[in-house]
Amino acid sequence: DVVMTQSPLSLPVTLGQPASISCRASQSLVHSDGNTFLNWFHQRPGQSPRRLIYKVSNRDSGVPDRFSGSGSGTDFTLKISRVEAEDVGIYYCMQGTHWPFTFGPGTRVDIK
Amino acid sequence: QVQLVQSGAEVKKPGSSVKVSCKASGDTFSRYTISWVRQAPGQGLEWMGGIIPIFGASKNAPKFQGRVTITTDESTNTAYMEVISLRSEDTAVYYCTTDDNSGAFGLWGQGTLVTVSS
Repeated sequence: DVVMTQSPLSLPVTLGQPASISCRASQSLVHSDGNTFLNWFHQRPGQSPRRLIYKVSNRDSGVPDRFSGSGSGTDFTLKISRVEAEDVGIYYCMQGTHWPFTFGPGTRVDIK
Repeated sequence: QVQLVQSGAEVKKPGSSVKVSCKASGDTFSRYTISWVRQAPGQGLEWMGGIIPIFGASKNAPKFQGRVTITTDESTNTAYMEVISLRSEDTAVYYCTTDDNSGAFGLWGQGTLVTVSS
């Protein structure tokens, strides 16, 4: 199975400041069709996960443009340019290239 | 746009089985991938398996092979996930998820809490 690791696992942030989460895969996530199926999700307590970013860098509809995804191969990053209060919660990366699909352990973001 | 509505919470005894449903409304999902993801209390997300109804082929993560069955009923636009031989470690919220216009995992159900306790 592809192992997904995230760092940091806990990220206290100051409102208005940037934040960055790293995600690393144990093998390349480039699919045989040329796509890289790396997603980012955000989950608030008691809620279902919500996809923010698909295929590394594509922002989902309704996701603020302060969120951006980047990376390639095995190393990926989610950045928040200016953290807002509604951004607290847990962020997960997930690979959909290799079966079985796997999630990272999650990064808890809260306000300092 | 498809919406996913899951069945209600369940309390089960160890060794029994549970079947959770996920009904899609607003569109047919026969051509989409449907996955099931679970989350134990205070833990992260875990992909269990998925199915592409139009192909009728399902795949489970090795950890769940032999104990989890994922099926669909296209006549009612409903997906099912059954877990047998339940143990306390199966206590979790189970989510169904399917594609939106941007790809897999774009739409999620509200989650179903399954509690396994004697």
